[in-house]
Amino acid sequence: DAKTTQPNSMESNEEEPVHLPCNHSTISGTDYIHWYRQLPSQGPEYVIHGLTSNVNNRMASLAIAEDRKSSTLILHRATLRDAAVYYCILRDYSNSGYALNFGKGTSLLVTP
Amino acid sequence: DVKVTQSSRYLVKRTGEKVFLECVQDMDHENMFWYRQDPGLGLRLIYFSYDVKMKEKGDIPEGYSVSREKKERFSLILESASTNQTSMYLCASSRQGVISGNTIYFGEGSWLTVV
Repeated sequence: DAKTTQPNSMESNEEEPVHLPCNHSTISGTDYIHWYRQLPSQGPEYVIHGLTSNVNNRMASLAIAEDRKSSTLILHRATLRDAAVYYCILRDYSNSGYALNFGKGTSLLVTP
Repeated sequence: DVKVTQSSRYLVKRTGEKVFLECVQDMDHENMFWYRQDPGLGLRLIYFSYDVKMKEKGDIPEGYSVSREKKERFSLILESASTNQTSMYLCASSRQGVISGNTIYFGEGSWLTVV
């Protein structure tokens, strides 16, 4: 799988937007971009995924660069409950592999 | 909602003991996974299974084995627990792997301490 690069940590104020970047310069045409997050003492949970177009759901938005070499997870109004580790992962949908490989992610701190 | 249930949230075992970590999912998912998570190392894949009685090694299978006798249940076995296996263990499941954007669902984790 292609590799992703994320900052180790970021900080945000409550109720402000947060932009979490992810670089994936070796992405292939068949890689989906997935985002998961892990709240303290819990297992990771799905946030959003996309292929080429920007995506929105109730949790977040995903902005994908035109060349797909980077993407940004956008939390529109951070809350204290959004403090978590956020993982950006690529997965090739065309092969027979099954598992997601998680890196170290970005630890998001939200302050009141 | 998909539910992945890990049988034990916290365990303390002695060095050399055989340890079983059990995981059950209720959504008829074909694929199940075991990860471990350690500070500074992120999540690392131990084993996964894409069908009953089928298994594949992940990145760190040494010292572990798995069993998948029924579709809904995936067990992680530490044949002889060692202190370096103290960790949080996460079970997960998904339908048809993660192709086509299918999501992976995690349990809450099992904290294992080996003394």
